[in-house]
Amino acid sequence: LAKTTQPISMDSYEGQEVNITCSHNNIATNDYITWYQQFPSQGPRFIIQGYKTKVTNEVASLFIPADRKSSTLSLPRVSLSDTAVYYCLVGDLNFNKFYFGSGTKLNVKP
Amino acid sequence: DAGITQSPRHKVTETGTPVTLRCHQTENHRYMYWYRQDPGHGLRLIHYSYGVKDTDKGEVSDGYSVSRSKTEDFLLTLESATSSQTSVYFCAISEPGRDYGYTFGSGTRLTVV
Repeated sequence: LAKTTQPISMDSYEGQEVNITCSHNNIATNDYITWYQQFPSQGPRFIIQGYKTKVTNEVASLFIPADRKSSTLSLPRVSLSDTAVYYCLVGDLNFNKFYFGSGTKLNVKP
Repeated sequence: DAGITQSPRHKVTETGTPVTLRCHQTENHRYMYWYRQDPGHGLRLIHYSYGVKDTDKGEVSDGYSVSRSKTEDFLLTLESATSSQTSVYFCAISEPGRDYGYTFGSGTRLTVV
């Protein structure tokens, strides 16, 4: 299973765009990249998933370069409520066995 | 989260006693998982199930057993609880091939004294 590496923490201010990069150098051909958000005392929540290039939904964008060895989660105009831990996972959807890393703790300041 | 419930939400137990945590889903998903979360470790996979009576170990399975006799229920048992098993336990479900990943339960906070 592909191992992922993320920054331990990041700080930002309200209204800024935040980009969190995840490294996954040994990603396999069939692997997808998935990001989750977790608030204190809650289970992680699915944010976005992609395979290559760019994916956008109502809450975030996911940028994946051609070599797929990294990915960047982009959160536009963050608010205080975006303060959370963000996890990057890599795996084959057909096997559905994923390991979480330690995640990136995002702290949004007023 | 809608469609997945964990019970109990909180439990305090004594060292050496057996403990069973229950995960119940109404989504008819094939895969179910148990994770534990401790400070500084993120979420670690304990066991998972890919169908009724089909289970496999995760990365931290020692001291835990699981059972899945029905699609909707996945039980996690600590045969003899230890203080190192004090943690928050999360259940998750997923369906292979779908593009929305896991759905997690709200967690069970277990304290072993």
